[in-house]
Amino acid sequence: DTAVSQTPKYLVTQMGNDKSIKCEQNLGHDTMYWYKQDSKKFLKIMFSYNNKELIINETVPNRFSPKSPDKAHLNLHINSLELGDSAVYFCASSGAQGFAGANVLTFGAGSRLTVL
Amino acid sequence: LAKTTQPISMDSYEGQEVNITCSHNNIATNDYITWYQQFPSQGPRFIIQGYKTKVTNEVASLFIPADRKSSTLSLPRVSLSDTAVYYCLVVNGTASKLTFGTGTRLQVTL
Repeated sequence: DTAVSQTPKYLVTQMGNDKSIKCEQNLGHDTMYWYKQDSKKFLKIMFSYNNKELIINETVPNRFSPKSPDKAHLNLHINSLELGDSAVYFCASSGAQGFAGANVLTFGAGSRLTVL
Repeated sequence: LAKTTQPISMDSYEGQEVNITCSHNNIATNDYITWYQQFPSQGPRFIIQGYKTKVTNEVASLFIPADRKSSTLSLPRVSLSDTAVYYCLVVNGTASKLTFGTGTRLQVTL
């Protein structure tokens, strides 16, 4: 299946721990994103990578560090987890600018992070 | 990017047609109107996009008046499985920095 897949789907951890969420897309898209959806259901962009290069870095604490080993993968590492980091994190991808589908996002199923 | 305004929630009975209107007064010439659907515990899913007039696909229809300052997503004969949050977005040539508002929470009942 062509898709955006992210793991793990659920993650429960203690404050202060470091955790990672992985994302992979097999759609051939050039751009990948991380979005955060909080308890109030607001969906906010965190990062965007285009061909492994960071192009958007919204106001996100330095504890969050995205890494893109290739254009099909965008992982999110979070250091020193805090209670307020509890949310659902969505990975997404889109096609190359100037081509069909460039302004359409394909989302993964989400990774629910709970910090205790 | 143009800000959008849409109702926070709507209720419908199964089998009815549902129309969700979105206002985007500051839409720019090169902006497209795009709608996403999000089911509980899933990521948003693209359902339809249009620039002007009417667009129809297997899921929905999108009506856009000539001034493009608003749009209406029409879901024909909704079923219980159409219960979801529907987001209206105005986008230009790329998906960069797409801003999702609160969306419209549609509840379909028997």
